[in-house]
Amino acid sequence: DGGITQSPKYLFRKEGQNVTLSCEQNLNHDAMYWYRQDPGQGLRLIYYSQIVNDFQKGDIAEGYSVSREKKESFPLTVTSAQKNPTAFYLCASSITGTGSSGANVLTFGAGSRLTVL
Amino acid sequence: KQEVTQIPAALSVPEGENLVLNCSFTDSAIYNLQWFRQDPGKGLTSLLLIQSSQREQTSGRLNASLDKSSGRSTLYIAASQPGDSATYLCAVRQIAAGNKLTFGGGTRVLVKP
Repeated sequence: DGGITQSPKYLFRKEGQNVTLSCEQNLNHDAMYWYRQDPGQGLRLIYYSQIVNDFQKGDIAEGYSVSREKKESFPLTVTSAQKNPTAFYLCASSITGTGSSGANVLTFGAGSRLTVL
Repeated sequence: KQEVTQIPAALSVPEGENLVLNCSFTDSAIYNLQWFRQDPGKGLTSLLLIQSSQREQTSGRLNASLDKSSGRSTLYIAASQPGDSATYLCAVRQIAAGNKLTFGGGTRVLVKP
């Protein structure tokens, strides 16, 4: 079955450590996204990529980094510069990232919960 | 800057009652609006997508309307069931700002048997 796989599901990090969250999709989608969700709040965009080897900052990119070396993969690194990294992280993809057609309907992974100890 | 608001933040209804969930947005220059469902600790599942030129979309017991000029969308769920208990989020795709999605904070729904 096609879909998006995020790993790990749960992750604990000590202060000062960098951690990387994995996101893999087998939907052949061009666009991929990383969102952060805090309790009782909507999703906020961290980074997005509309094509391989290209990505753009979202609304809250500070303290995060990404790469898009393969179409299927869009890993997110939470660096020690992120002051409040405890949150639920969601990866998503869409056929395209532009335009008004239904091709930009998002499909989401199951999420990764990061807790800083 | 686009702002998306969902009121109320939480809603509890008895089984069988119709659900009405509201979403409002400040900038009407949108491509489309999407409704999602999120179960606790899980990702989001897309329910309905309404293009900016459409007035409503229907899927089974779900009906979503869009009034772009007033910046409002409403999701109706007919004859609610306990399995409808979840958080419902709306998101708008803006024409400006790099074609990004802006999400509301969600409405947490509890359907009591």
